[in-house]
Amino acid sequence: EIVMTQSPATLSVSPGERATLSCRASQSVNNNLAWYQQKPGQPPRLLISGSSTRATGIPARFSGSGSGTQFTLTISSLQSEDFAVYYCQQYNNWPPTFGQGTKVEIK
Amino acid sequence: EVQLLESGGGLVQPGGSLRLSCTASGFPFSSYAMSWVRQAPGKGLEWVSGISGGGGTTSYADSVKGRFTISRDNSENTLYLQMNSLRAEDTAVYHCAKGPTPYIAAAEFDYWGQGTLVSVSS
Repeated sequence: EIVMTQSPATLSVSPGERATLSCRASQSVNNNLAWYQQKPGQPPRLLISGSSTRATGIPARFSGSGSGTQFTLTISSLQSEDFAVYYCQQYNNWPPTFGQGTKVEIK
Repeated sequence: EVQLLESGGGLVQPGGSLRLSCTASGFPFSSYAMSWVRQAPGKGLEWVSGISGGGGTTSYADSVKGRFTISRDNSENTLYLQMNSLRAEDTAVYHCAKGPTPYIAAAEFDYWGQGTLVSVSS
């Protein structure tokens, strides 16, 4: 199965600053990559699919890029509600697999 | 509004069984594949099992194959996970998650339930 590796494990960012999260696949997943946000006690929420397409209702400050094995989620100006754990997931190959997550915390 | 509500979790001894349910509303249930995804305490996400919209195709992670059975009742808008021969490593919050198509092909999960906690311990 494809292994997804996220970095960094924890990202400390001040409100209003840009956050850049990385996700690497052990083999090409083309652009079949999704990003999720999870807050404590809540289920994951789909942010991005197809590497760069925002899900319904997701603010424009969230953007995704990349293809093949290297992907990036950028939050252009962090708001208080954006502090959470973010997961990437590949769905190019079966079974779908997730990265271990990046926690975005307040600096 | 799409809603997914899981139930059936609890504390069970190793080797025991449990059946989880996920009741769906706000969308045509039979038109979409569904999956179970679990999250061990403080850990990441692991896909467990999936089923096509019509229920004819199922798939399982190697870690649960032969022990877990996924099914659905489209007349009741309900997804199930029968879990047998439970092990300590099955302890997790189990989320049901909706796929974007009727097919069980790998895809993103566009809606998730809150989850139900399964604890396996003696």
